[in-house]
Amino acid sequence: QQQVKQSPQSLIVQKGGISIINCAYENTAFDYFPWYQQFPGKGPALLIAIRPDVSEKKEGRFTISFNKSAKQFSLHIMDSQPGDSATYFCAASRRTNAGKSTFGDGTTLTVKP
Amino acid sequence: KAGVTQTPRYLIKTRGQQVTLSCSPISGHRSVSWYQQTPGQGLQFLFEYFSETQRNKGNFPGRFSGRQFSNSRSEMNVSTLELGDSALYLCASSPRGGHGSPDTQYFGPGTRLTVL
Repeated sequence: QQQVKQSPQSLIVQKGGISIINCAYENTAFDYFPWYQQFPGKGPALLIAIRPDVSEKKEGRFTISFNKSAKQFSLHIMDSQPGDSATYFCAASRRTNAGKSTFGDGTTLTVKP
Repeated sequence: KAGVTQTPRYLIKTRGQQVTLSCSPISGHRSVSWYQQTPGQGLQFLFEYFSETQRNKGNFPGRFSGRQFSNSRSEMNVSTLELGDSALYLCASSPRGGHGSPDTQYFGPGTRLTVL
């Protein structure tokens, strides 16, 4: 049973545009929602994370929006740059058990110059 | 600080063989988690070790096992390899593994295992 569903599978955006990736979860016990960025040949790296007691968190050009009632969260990348081209994964875990994360299937983002 | 290191980076084995992968966490980190990454299944949680004890286990068959040493280094072993075990195996470390508060997981570059 897939507990975190991520969409779209791939995304092409023009430089300067907004990239939006969505995730939905099923397990209401999840209370920690990180996003990871992965470049080819590298392991995933934490980009930004949110807890369900806030509806939005912004770090630079990256923003997480969180909708607890809908059990959905999304990543917005403003002013997308070619260097943002990578695979993005959403994940969910329990804060007291963050060593066990459930990941979405990933979104391959391509930002065209 | 040095990041998470994994050895070897690439490995080719044949069906039926066994393999051992190694992970050295960031100095001071006590939690080590292992994930399997495949194009079709994404990142799947294998297990987590904290202070030499397996704290969590994913839904993988018993052919997948692991252990953690007193210096927090971890190994995972896959016995009787199958073609479907071909994947990128990722190790992630964190200071406390989220015990009491969320911790950032730092991933290594992975070991690419190919089973022929």
